[in-house]
Amino acid sequence: DVVMTQSPLSLPVTLGQPASISCRSSQSLVHSDGNTYLNWFQQRPGQSPRRLIYKVSNRDSGVPDRFSGSGSGTDFTLKISRVEAEDVGVYYCMQGTYWLTFGQGTRLEIK
Amino acid sequence: QVQLVESGGGVVQPGGSLRLSCAASGFTLSNHGMNWVRQAPGKGLEWVTYLRSDGSDQHYTDSVKGRFTISRDNSQNTLYLQMNSLRPEDTAVYYCARDWGFAFWGQGTLVTVSS
Repeated sequence: DVVMTQSPLSLPVTLGQPASISCRSSQSLVHSDGNTYLNWFQQRPGQSPRRLIYKVSNRDSGVPDRFSGSGSGTDFTLKISRVEAEDVGVYYCMQGTYWLTFGQGTRLEIK
Repeated sequence: QVQLVESGGGVVQPGGSLRLSCAASGFTLSNHGMNWVRQAPGKGLEWVTYLRSDGSDQHYTDSVKGRFTISRDNSQNTLYLQMNSLRPEDTAVYYCARDWGFAFWGQGTLVTVSS
């Protein structure tokens, strides 16, 4: 099974400051079709998960452009350029190349 | 617009059964692969099962194989999860989600397995 390891697991951030979450996979996520199936999700308190980024770097409709995804192979990053209060929640990476696994989640809080 | 509404959760004793439903609207269920994902209280997300769009293929995480069955009723545009031989560790909020991209999720339904 592919293991997804996120860091940090807890991320206190000052409003207006940038934030970065790392996600590493135990093997390369490049599929035989050439795509890399790595998504990022946000789960606000009491809500369902919401997809932010798909296939590494594609932002979903309605997602603020302060969110960006990057990476390749086994190493991926979600960046928030300027954290806002509404960004509080837990962020998960997910790989869909070898069936499906989620990272453990990173809890973002306002410092 | 796309909407997924889960129902059927509740409290059940260990060894019992429960059937969850996921009513889809805004799209035709049979044209899309569908998933169930669960989240134990205070824990992370765990993929449970997937049903291919043509219904030809189903996949399960190891911990539920032989106990859970995913299915759908095209006439009702509804996805199901039949859960048998339930264990306390199956306690979780269960979400249905569309496609392998997981762009659309329901609001979840809580299953509690306890005596």
